[in-house]
Amino acid sequence: DIRMTQSPSTLSASVGDRVSITCRASQSISSWLAWYQQKPGKAPKLLIYKASSLESGVPSRFSGSGSGTEFTLTISSLQPDDFATYYCHQYNSYWTFGQGTKVEIK
Amino acid sequence: QITLKESGPTLVKPTQTLTLTCTFSGFSLSTSGVGVAWIRQPPGKALEWLALIYWDDDKRYSPSLKSRLTITKDTSKNQVVLTMTNVDPVDTATYYCVHILGKSGAFDIWGQGTMVTVSS
Repeated sequence: DIRMTQSPSTLSASVGDRVSITCRASQSISSWLAWYQQKPGKAPKLLIYKASSLESGVPSRFSGSGSGTEFTLTISSLQPDDFATYYCHQYNSYWTFGQGTKVEIK
Repeated sequence: QITLKESGPTLVKPTQTLTLTCTFSGFSLSTSGVGVAWIRQPPGKALEWLALIYWDDDKRYSPSLKSRLTITKDTSKNQVVLTMTNVDPVDTATYYCVHILGKSGAFDIWGQGTMVTVSS
């Protein structure tokens, strides 16, 4: 199994902050990585696929980068609607998820 | 517009078999490239992929759960069914069915999820 490790587990930030979440894969996954946003009681929502491609309808303040084993999700200016939990997900070999990063209000 | 909806029991006893149905609209599982997956999330925990079936009946299972899972599709009814045998309280989770486009695609559209509790 390919293991996905996210950091940090929790991130405290304020509206307007630039925030970044890191995801590391236990082996190379090329660019087969996606990012999801999940709010309490709701299903996850796809934000980024193939490491850096923005899903249709997702605000441009979200961006993804990286390849191989290290990836980053960046929110350029945090908005009130962005407080949620974020998951990375590899689909290079089977499908596995990171443990999640909760973005909370500082 | 693609939608998916999960249905099944909310409470199952340990050792029983759990059967979940995903009913979808807006796409066909006979269309090349299309797939439907099952993913679960225990309360307060991370997401876990369980199984996936493609338009060509290619089936994939989580290696750790493979012996307990079966995924099937009924193209005429626009349904995908997941069965899980010998359930345990650790299988308590919200179960999601999810659309995937292509054998190198991400999980792009999710159902609302259905909560299943395993308890005697």
